[in-house]
Amino acid sequence: KAGVTQTPRYLIKTRGQQVTLSCSPISGHRSVSWYQQTPGQGLQFLFEYFSETQRNKGNFPGRFSGRQFSNSRSEMNVSTLELGDSALYLCASSFSSRDTEAFFGQGTRLTVV
Amino acid sequence: QKEVEQNSGPLSVPEGAIASLNCTYSDRVSQSFFWYRQYSGKSPELIMSIYSNGDKEDGRFTAQLNKASQYVSLLIRDSQPSDSATYLCAVKNQGGKLIFGQGTELSVKP
Repeated sequence: KAGVTQTPRYLIKTRGQQVTLSCSPISGHRSVSWYQQTPGQGLQFLFEYFSETQRNKGNFPGRFSGRQFSNSRSEMNVSTLELGDSALYLCASSFSSRDTEAFFGQGTRLTVV
Repeated sequence: QKEVEQNSGPLSVPEGAIASLNCTYSDRVSQSFFWYRQYSGKSPELIMSIYSNGDKEDGRFTAQLNKASQYVSLLIRDSQPSDSATYLCAVKNQGGKLIFGQGTELSVKP
């Protein structure tokens, strides 16, 4: 059974650009959550999608957005990139959005220069 | 107060010893608790989940939950150098968000 797949693995962008990251969950999983991980802040919750609907949102500016498709694949977009957006972006999938175990993908390492 | 708090460490134990990792959480109605292991440069890997008060054992790992004290712990018996990693405590809060602590760095010395 394939795990959670995130693409691309590495990305270098310039300030002011936008970026789109992709996450394909484990087959049968309908919940996808996104996290930002930095050395100083740890793992911070961005948002969660379940059945194409955003169920939860973290405390990030509106430049961070996401969506989920009917096949449960999810994308997150960051517009007007800032240097501080450099981080490891992780996606986690779970069967449902309640009380179930979440499994992470390998992450996308974003560097903003 | 942070929603999920852990000692950042580093926690250093000799090979073969018991490593004890602790976590407290603020949302009293939380029902789901998880421990993840993260090696340097890798993504978090789920190692334990616990939902009820008491102990849950899986191989060398034991998770302990005390909802009255809002406390979760992870014991690693017979610690090995390969256990050296950052251990993340995660709690699903009332709103359904999975919130992580800052992680405890564990170093197992041969």
